[in-house]
Order: sequence, then C-alpha cells, then structure tokens
Amino acid sequence: KAGVTQTPRYLIKTRGQQVTLSCSPISGHRSVSWYQQTPGQGLQFLFEYFSETQRNKGNFPGRFSGRQFSNSRSEMNVSTLELGDSALYLCASSLEGGPNEKLFFGSGTQLSVL
Amino acid sequence: AQSVTQLGSHVSVSEGALVLLRCNYSSSVPPYLFWYVQYPNQGLQLLLKYTSAATLVKGINGFEAEFKKSETSFHLTKPSAHMSDAAEYFCAVSVRGGYNKLIFGAGTRLAVHP
Repeated sequence: KAGVTQTPRYLIKTRGQQVTLSCSPISGHRSVSWYQQTPGQGLQFLFEYFSETQRNKGNFPGRFSGRQFSNSRSEMNVSTLELGDSALYLCASSLEGGPNEKLFFGSGTQLSVL
Repeated sequence: AQSVTQLGSHVSVSEGALVLLRCNYSSSVPPYLFWYVQYPNQGLQLLLKYTSAATLVKGINGFEAEFKKSETSFHLTKPSAHMSDAAEYFCAVSVRGGYNKLIFGAGTRLAVHP
C-alpha cells in the first residue's frame, strides 16, 4: 500500500508570492490533516479535512487555507508569503480522523521563503 | 487546555544502554497519548499510543511507555539502545473531538554513541 505522498518535496518562493502544496493520502483514508514544523515553534496543527469539509482549524491567519477533493486528496495554500512561513509542512492521513487513530505522515514539503 | 512537556531537548546514550525519554502532559480529561519518531528528512512515524486499555504500552522497535495518571507522565523507554534509534522523538496528546488535532511536545533528539 502506498504511503502518504506530498508534492513538491522542496519549494523556494519570495515574499508576497503564494504557494500550493499537495497531499495524496493512503488509499481508503478519508481524513487529511496538515501540520507546520519549524525549529522555533515545533509542530503545530493547521487544519483537518474529512469528506471535503474542514472540521477543525488551528490558530493560523487566514492566509493559510486548504481544501479536499472527492478522492480525499488535499491541497493547502498560503497566500502573501512571509519569511516566517518558511517551514516543513507535513500532511497526515487516517481512516476517519478519530482522536485515538494512528496518523500516517508524509515526508513533507520544505518551503523556503526568501 | 491540553499541553505536553518533554524534558530534555537532547539526550545522549551509549549503544546498549537504557533509553529514557520523558513526557508530562496536562489534560482536564483522560487523554489519548502518543509517541512519534522522526528520522532525518522524513515524516513522523507512530511508535505507540495510549488509549486507556492498559497503562503499559508496547510499541515498535522495542520501545514501551507507561501511563502514570498520578504523575501525569508518559515516559518512553527502551532497554537497550541501538545506533538506528538515533532520531527525534515527539510526545503528543490528542484533543478529544479534535479530529486529528495533536498537541506535540517540543521533541527530544536522541543521539546513540558506539
């Protein structure tokens, strides 16, 4: 069974630009969540999607958005990039998104904002 | 609000020695607790999880953790360290009803010396 796939693996953008990251969950998994990982703030929850609906959102500005498609694939978008948005963005999937479910993580997209 | 504290950002052990990584949590309700491991340039992988079935939880790669409610702790141990255990370890608590919203600790980087 293929794991969680995130594309691209690396991205370099400049301040003010926007970026879209993609995540394909494990086949059969309907819940997709996104996390931001930085050396200073650690791992922080961005949002979670299930059946194309955002069910939960972390404490991030509105510049961070996401969506989920009918095949459970998900994208996240960051508009008007700031230097502080440089981070590893991790996508994780699980069957239903229950609080005690095992999360399967992708290898992440490393975003550098110059 | 739920939170997780990992004592010691860096731990160094000799190969064959006991590994002990500390995690304390704060939760107003019985928590779900997790340990994840992250190898360089990879996503996170679940080591084990506590879901109230048993206080001593066994995970992959010889790791185990004991849930101690009185001490609000969930420390991770392994009797004998292997070079391949060198990685960063994250303790996390799940928010009930939070749909895959994990609150992570800051992480502990484990170094294993020959």
